[in-house]
Amino acid sequence: AQSVTQLGSHVSVSEGALVLLRCNYSSSVPPYLFWYVQYPNQGLQLLLKYTSAATLVKGINGFEAEFKKSETSFHLTKPSAHMSDAAEYFCAVSGNNDMRFGAGTRLTVKP
Amino acid sequence: NAGVTQTPKFQVLKTGQSMTLQCAQDMNHEYMSWYRQDPGMGLRLIHYSVGAGITDQGEVPNGYNVSRSTTEDFPLRLLSAAPSQTSVYFCASSYDRGDEAFFGQGTRLTVV
Repeated sequence: AQSVTQLGSHVSVSEGALVLLRCNYSSSVPPYLFWYVQYPNQGLQLLLKYTSAATLVKGINGFEAEFKKSETSFHLTKPSAHMSDAAEYFCAVSGNNDMRFGAGTRLTVKP
Repeated sequence: NAGVTQTPKFQVLKTGQSMTLQCAQDMNHEYMSWYRQDPGMGLRLIHYSVGAGITDQGEVPNGYNVSRSTTEDFPLRLLSAAPSQTSVYFCASSYDRGDEAFFGQGTRLTVV
């Protein structure tokens, strides 16, 4: 079965600084990879997804992620953090017929 | 366009009680899943379905049952509630495994 590891349960950045959230995956078949965001007391919303069309994927709100097969990684970045980016972020992998999530990274943005 | 609808939003159960969490989607999605979310553990897959009449176990299936008699509905049954099942439960659906999963707003369950 596929799995995801998110490095760092909590990341804190200053407003305007680079955001880097790390995700490594394991899958026995070519994976589909996703990043979701969760705001307090809400469900999950899709930020972006990788489906093998391009290794650099652009998502909503200025986020992007790069698929690196050799490193089995799919790290999420944003050049300049905004206060509204404070939320919990989940990396997910879809291999066979199910989608598995990482433990999540809580992003705090300091003014 | 309702998307994925979960009911109830909140529930308190006593240990040993049974209940069904309801999930319905109106997007004609084949794939549906149930997850539980616990602090520091992300979302863990309980059961999933790839179409009507087909279900399979995820990472943490013990204590839960599911059925998929229609494309639209995917109820989750707790057979005999335990305090360890206190969690937030999310239902999700997608058209295919490579597509975006749409999530319900969640059910916050407390077992006392």
